[in-house]
Amino acid sequence: DTTVKQNPRYKLARVGKPVNLICSQTMNHDTMYWYQKKPNQAPKLLLFYYDKILNREADTFEKFQSSRPNNSFCSLYIGSAGLEYSAMYLCASSPRGPNERLFFGHGTKLSVL
Amino acid sequence: TQTVSQSDAHVTVFEGDSVELRCNYSYGGSIYLSWYIQHHGHGLQFLLKYYSGNPVVQGVNGFEAEFSKSDSSFHLRKASVHWSDSAVYFCAVSWNSNNRIFFGDGTQLVVKP
Repeated sequence: DTTVKQNPRYKLARVGKPVNLICSQTMNHDTMYWYQKKPNQAPKLLLFYYDKILNREADTFEKFQSSRPNNSFCSLYIGSAGLEYSAMYLCASSPRGPNERLFFGHGTKLSVL
Repeated sequence: TQTVSQSDAHVTVFEGDSVELRCNYSYGGSIYLSWYIQHHGHGLQFLLKYYSGNPVVQGVNGFEAEFSKSDSSFHLRKASVHWSDSAVYFCAVSWNSNNRIFFGDGTQLVVKP
């Protein structure tokens, strides 16, 4: 099974409320990524886990949290959603090594109202 | 600043035509390049990658890409497109093997019958 699963497929959130997005993979990949994708823009790297080590991008450091309780599972947490968080959130995983391909999930479309 | 540039937001061709989708990047250190395809309603899927060796790399479905250090480019090509090649194509770059993978804005390819 070479799939990355994301739940839910669609998420509606209120401004100021927390949001938790979930991603799982059963390929035993070491690295898991979260990207934010807005229409007609590049997927924007938010953070990634290499094994148990979390790496967050400097410009999104304060806005997103993540946890990886085991190798298969990774979540993305927004403490207080704002309108600007409305986007598609893409999870990807990659096997060991810095030059391996990414396997993407279908994404979670987050709408903040 | 490390950048990935896809200069064409939209490309329209006819079935059987050849196509080249352009990708340029800011040069710096060792570099890992790849292309991904996203069909409407689906997740991003890997097409091909380059890290070292032969600068022309072959991918799935007849796609190939050529690395040029002098031009800082990694253009994607296909000799004869099919209507099913209609999709958004993303160029991705990682510098210095640090697991951080950055994407271009994407090129929407439309193949007319």
